[in-house]
Amino acid sequence: DSGVTQTPKHLITATGQRVTLRCSPRSGDLSVYWYQQSLDQGLQFLIQYYNGEERAKGNILERFSAQQFPDLHSELNLSSLELGDSALYFCASSPVQETQYFGPGTRLLVL
Amino acid sequence: GQNIDQPTEMTATEGAIVQINCTYQTSGFNGLFWYQQHAGEAPTFLSYNVLDGLEEKGRFSSFLSRSKGYSYLLLKELQMKDSASYLCAVREGAGGATNKLIFGTGTLLAVQP
Repeated sequence: DSGVTQTPKHLITATGQRVTLRCSPRSGDLSVYWYQQSLDQGLQFLIQYYNGEERAKGNILERFSAQQFPDLHSELNLSSLELGDSALYFCASSPVQETQYFGPGTRLLVL
Repeated sequence: GQNIDQPTEMTATEGAIVQINCTYQTSGFNGLFWYQQHAGEAPTFLSYNVLDGLEEKGRFSSFLSRSKGYSYLLLKELQMKDSASYLCAVREGAGGATNKLIFGTGTLLAVQP
């Protein structure tokens, strides 16, 4: 158990819908990261937040957005969902510039 | 641009040694990580190299050559539970609070009896 929690574990929804994934970092970690893992593309970095501010961005679609709240938990919002958005979404956390520890992931299926 | 290459699949025998290679071309290199991932589960941290040389941690060792853009993960005394995907990841950025990891597609290792 890494200490990072993610909810929900599974999510099934329809195309065009919007969903919110939630992540609680390990105690004391100020940085939160979001990754997408699909079968054909491996683990893709989406975005990093540090103490409430966006710190680094990867190939995150405009339909996706994230934020980190004052209590340091983070949410990833996915809108106008497409079939290709079906994937495992991982959250990770770390202290400043150290090893990232991954949560168990949210498995999203878009039908 | 960024490019990280690893073999797609490898097979090894229980009790043996296996070396998984990773080559990379990235901008702003700031360290290399190896993670293990069992199917459907979260990646778990194995090792970290930022300077050239070998880092040993029990049955696992990792090597880095920054001038060659090359790393390997060495697994000794293989066990069946080592069957998993091994992900090489490069950290980009100048430091500070930015901590962006770029992952390779992973090497799926099958350990056979």
